[in-house]
Amino acid sequence: GQQLNQSPQSMFIQEGEDVSMNCTSSSIFNTWLWYKQDPGEGPVLLIALYKAGELTSNGRLTAQFGITRKDSFLNISASIPSDVGIYFCAGLRWRSQGNLIFGKGTKLSVKP
Amino acid sequence: DAGVIQSPRHEVTEMGQEVTLRCKPISGHDYLFWYRQTMMRGLELLIYFNNNVPIDDSGMPEDRFSAKMPNASFSTLKIQPSEPRDSAVYFCASGGRTRGDYGYTFGSGTRLTVV
Repeated sequence: GQQLNQSPQSMFIQEGEDVSMNCTSSSIFNTWLWYKQDPGEGPVLLIALYKAGELTSNGRLTAQFGITRKDSFLNISASIPSDVGIYFCAGLRWRSQGNLIFGKGTKLSVKP
Repeated sequence: DAGVIQSPRHEVTEMGQEVTLRCKPISGHDYLFWYRQTMMRGLELLIYFNNNVPIDDSGMPEDRFSAKMPNASFSTLKIQPSEPRDSAVYFCASGGRTRGDYGYTFGSGTRLTVV
């Protein structure tokens, strides 16, 4: 079946450091999304990517849609304590379908 | 905009009982999704609707699960009879994909515990 391999599973970093995480698949995806989930809440959309090679920023967050359409990357610059949470990548193979496939998440811990 | 509203936030029930989870999507969104989240399996799509019509229910675990969307502003997910392995957080999400927006908005979830 379709799977998204997200890495790393967890990260422990110092406040102020930059963070990188990625998502890969053996299948091509036409849409990549990045979500963040806080404890006790649902995932919240951070960035949406719709074209191969696209690079999109949202404040300190930058995400890229891989040129092969089989991967995506999320970078967080100058991390702060409120960046703590679980980050999920998600992909849509075909925009005609509704089945958004999620990675298993990257748990980010930030030490002040 | 109040976002996607789910109720209840927490539900504890005994094995064999019927459980009904409720969802009010964002007004104007034409897609509605039910997801289940567990530590072992992550976020799994159970079923989704487009314009109140079920499109794909291949993720529904078994016949004990059923979902309905009687109108554009309300959906239910029912488990009957419930089993301990159904314990999970159930999320409802909605999306306005026909407007070109493929990022779904999630509710806060219902944490279900079956004892």
